[in-house]
Amino acid sequence: GESVGLHLPTLSVQEGDNSIINCAYSNSASDYFIWYKQESGKGPQFIIDIRSNMDKRQGQRVTVLLNKTVKHLSLQIAATQPGDSAVYFCAENGGGNEKLTFGTGTRLTIIP
Amino acid sequence: ETGVTQTPRHLVMGMTNKKSLKCEQHLGHNAMYWYKQSAKKPLELMFVYNFKEQTENNSVPSRFSPECPNSSHLFLHLHTLQPEDSALYLCASSPRVGFQTRPQHFGDGTRLSIL
Repeated sequence: GESVGLHLPTLSVQEGDNSIINCAYSNSASDYFIWYKQESGKGPQFIIDIRSNMDKRQGQRVTVLLNKTVKHLSLQIAATQPGDSAVYFCAENGGGNEKLTFGTGTRLTIIP
Repeated sequence: ETGVTQTPRHLVMGMTNKKSLKCEQHLGHNAMYWYKQSAKKPLELMFVYNFKEQTENNSVPSRFSPECPNSSHLFLHLHTLQPEDSALYLCASSPRVGFQTRPQHFGDGTRLSIL
C-alpha cells in the first residue's frame, strides 16, 4: 500500500540554527498533509498543515513546503530552541477525508 | 487542560484480564479515533467513529472492542490480550465539516503493558 516515509531518522541541530525535516510521500491522491511534534511521554501535537492547492504555508517559527511534482514535504523550524527537541511526524490523507497515514518520524535533537 | 484526555495513563494487565481505556474530548469534535503506537513503527489507525457511528475498523483483532456512547467519549475494551499488544494507545478527535480533512488532536495516550 501507499506509505509515507522520512529521509532521515535522526537530526541534530545547533541551538539557534534552522532545522529542516523532510518527508516523502507516494500517494498522488493525497491532498492534505500535516506535521506533528511528539515529546517524550506525550501524544502527537499538531504543528501545521497544508492542502495541495498551496505549496507553502507559514506559522510561528515554522514553514511547511509542499512539492507535488516530486511528492516531497518539508518542515522548516527557524531559530531552533531546546524545546524543539522531539520526534516529528508527517502524515497524508490519501485523498480521503478522515484517515491519515503517518511516517515513522524523525528525532530532532537540539545541541546547546 | 488538554483538549483530549485519556485514562489511565499507564496500565499493566495479564493476558486473561479485562480492562478498558477511556478517552474524552472537550473540543466539540464529532469524529474520534483510536491509534496504536509501537516502537519504531508508524502510528497504526485502529478505529474511526463519526457522530457515534463506527466508520472504520482497520482489521483489528476482536480482542479490542471499541465503544462510542456519544461524540465526546470513546472507550477501548480489552480482553485476552497478547504480549505483542503492548504499546501506546492514542485517542484523537477532529471536527467533521464537509468533506475536507481537518487536523486530528491527540491525547497523551495510555501506555499498555501485557504480562
